[in-house]
Amino acid sequence: AQSVTQPDIHITVSEGASLELRCNYSYGATPYLFWYVQSPGQGLQLLLKYFSGDTLVQGIKGFEAEFKRSQSSFNLRKPSVHWSDAAEYFCAVGAWESNFGNEKLTFGTGTRLTIIP
Amino acid sequence: DVKVTQSSRYLVKRTGEKVFLECVQDMDHENMFWYRQDPGLGLRLIYFSYDVKMKEKGDIPEGYSVSREKKERFSLILESASTNQTSMYLCASSAPGRAKVEQYFGPGTRLTVT
Repeated sequence: AQSVTQPDIHITVSEGASLELRCNYSYGATPYLFWYVQSPGQGLQLLLKYFSGDTLVQGIKGFEAEFKRSQSSFNLRKPSVHWSDAAEYFCAVGAWESNFGNEKLTFGTGTRLTIIP
Repeated sequence: DVKVTQSSRYLVKRTGEKVFLECVQDMDHENMFWYRQDPGLGLRLIYFSYDVKMKEKGDIPEGYSVSREKKERFSLILESASTNQTSMYLCASSAPGRAKVEQYFGPGTRLTVT
């Protein structure tokens, strides 16, 4: 079965600083990859996705992510964070899961981002 | 834009009550999903549906059932609510094919069972 690891539970960065959130996955082939953001009390919003092709993908709100097959990683980056970026971020993998009998979206446990002035 | 709405943002119910959580999507998506979200556990799939009147169990279906009588509406039912079902419930929908896993989420319902 596929799995997703977000090793950082909580990250604090200063406003204007760069950001990188880590995501590693386990799957036998190349899965579909997603990053979602969840503001407090809200649902999940899709930031960006990777299906195939260019391994550097651009998303909304100035975020980008890079798929590195050799490292089984899909890290999320932003060159300069804003106070409004404070939220929880979820990495997700979409792939066929044999014991599920279907394609499935599997989520990491999330990284909470705090922005300090 | 895909719009997924959920009937309540906050809900407080008593142990043993029957609880209905409603979800509606306006993009004519075939696929609909119910997840629960708990701190440190991420999102866990409860049930999903690929068509009207069809349903499939997810990872944690125990204590829940679902109903999909119309394409745009997917209901989650707690037959007899228990305190361990206190959680955030998220509904999602997606199109068929590879986009099945590109899911769009509603705002969530925070359910408290006392």
